[in-house]
Amino acid sequence: SQQGEEDPQALSIQEGENATMNCSYKTSINNLQWYRQNSGRGLVHLILIRSNEREKHSGRLRVTLDTSKKSSSLLITASRAADTASYFCATDAGSGYSTLTFGKGTMLLVSP
Amino acid sequence: GAVVSQHPSRVICKSGTSVKIECRSLDFQATTMFWYRQFPKQSLMLMATSNEGSKATYEQGVEKDKFLINHASLTLSTLTVTSAHPEDSSFYICSAYDGYEQYFGPGTRLTVT
Repeated sequence: SQQGEEDPQALSIQEGENATMNCSYKTSINNLQWYRQNSGRGLVHLILIRSNEREKHSGRLRVTLDTSKKSSSLLITASRAADTASYFCATDAGSGYSTLTFGKGTMLLVSP
Repeated sequence: GAVVSQHPSRVICKSGTSVKIECRSLDFQATTMFWYRQFPKQSLMLMATSNEGSKATYEQGVEKDKFLINHASLTLSTLTVTSAHPEDSSFYICSAYDGYEQYFGPGTRLTVT
């Protein structure tokens, strides 16, 4: 079942601007992951943040996790046209098989 | 890094026929493989979880007789869509779990005419 909810559902920005996407979930988690998907393609793993972590960075990506609010945010700084894609959060509740529950996603459009 | 392949990448079939999609982990052994379905502009929905040598566990609402999953080895899982209908048209994505992380395949676009 889908438990993640991303907002906004769609985001349109100019190159160079920052893009922030949010994800909320309902149950306790082991970790939360963010993925990117270009149109009609598979998923690219961006970053994993564990339940005992509050913030993580990877290049132009910054992810925060607030387990008390059951929410996470993904910030892409200095966006580029190549960042245009759909972004999904996925939660791992620690079932043992790393079963992931995906959010509905945010479609990001970065215009040159 | 770990690579997962899917074959075919695209398939068009006629209503009533069956289609097999392969998912392979190329450079690691996958104890568990997952099959997801994704409708246009929507998220991934987990269909089933399969462990090598045992029956797949299907999510609620997924017909196991329609979506046959075989996980014959630690590097190969297959999804067969039996008696396909136009409503089965979708993007099917597999992932392989190495005990630490899921690695996703590039997806298979199925169109049933």
